[in-house]
Amino acid sequence: RKEVEQDPGPFNVPEGATVAFNCTYSNSASQSFFWYRQDCRKEPKLLMSVYSSGNEDGRFTAQLNRASQYISLLIRDSKLSDSATYLCVVNGGNFNKFYFGSGTKLNVKP
Amino acid sequence: DAGVIQSPRHEVTEMGQEVTLRCKPISGHNSLFWYRQTMMRGLELLIYFNNNVPIDDSGMPEDRFSAKMPNASFSTLKIQPSEPRDSAVYFCASSLMDGELFFGEGSRLTVL
Repeated sequence: RKEVEQDPGPFNVPEGATVAFNCTYSNSASQSFFWYRQDCRKEPKLLMSVYSSGNEDGRFTAQLNRASQYISLLIRDSKLSDSATYLCVVNGGNFNKFYFGSGTKLNVKP
Repeated sequence: DAGVIQSPRHEVTEMGQEVTLRCKPISGHNSLFWYRQTMMRGLELLIYFNNNVPIDDSGMPEDRFSAKMPNASFSTLKIQPSEPRDSAVYFCASSLMDGELFFGEGSRLTVL
C-alpha cells in the first residue's frame, strides 16, 4: 500500500467553481502535512501547510482528519491560473522523510 | 535568497555513459533529498541525507545509482552506466527538520 494516495483526476471545472481534493495516508504517526502545487514542467512548490485545526489562505482551505487519516484541499472561486497538479505530502516524522502522493490534476476552463 | 540550485538543467546522453547531477541546497538546511519524477511513476524519493549523512537510500533503483554529500553545501547523484529507462526529471530538495521542502528546478535527463 502506498504511503499517500490521491485521486489522479483530472478534475475539469469551469471558472468560479468550487473543487475539493482528498488524500489519505497510511502512517498514523505522521506529523506534518502539506499541499504542494506543480505546474507543467516546473518543480513542486508549497501551496500551504495543513494544521490540525484546519487553515485557510484566501480561496484555499486545508483540513486534516487524523482519525480517518485524510487531508483535504478546497479551492473556492477557481481561476484559470489554478490549473496545475496538486500534490499531497506527508512527513513521516522519523528522520524527516517526506512522502508524496501521485498528484491530482486540475484543469480550470473558461 | 538563493534557492536550491541544480545543474545541469538538461542533459542528453547515450546509453552506457556516466551521468553526474549536482545540487547546492539552501544555506542552513540540514536535510537534502533526491527525487526522480516520471509520468508513469510520479515523484519517487531516491535518497535523503540529514546533516550530510545518508539516512535512507532504499529508493535508489540499483547499484548503478550512487549519491554523495561531502559537505553541507553540495551533493551529487551519479548514474553509471546510464540506461534509457533512467530518463526522467531529477529533483533535489532541501529543508530544515520538520520544515517545508524546497525544490530545485530539476535536471531533465534523456538517455538515448
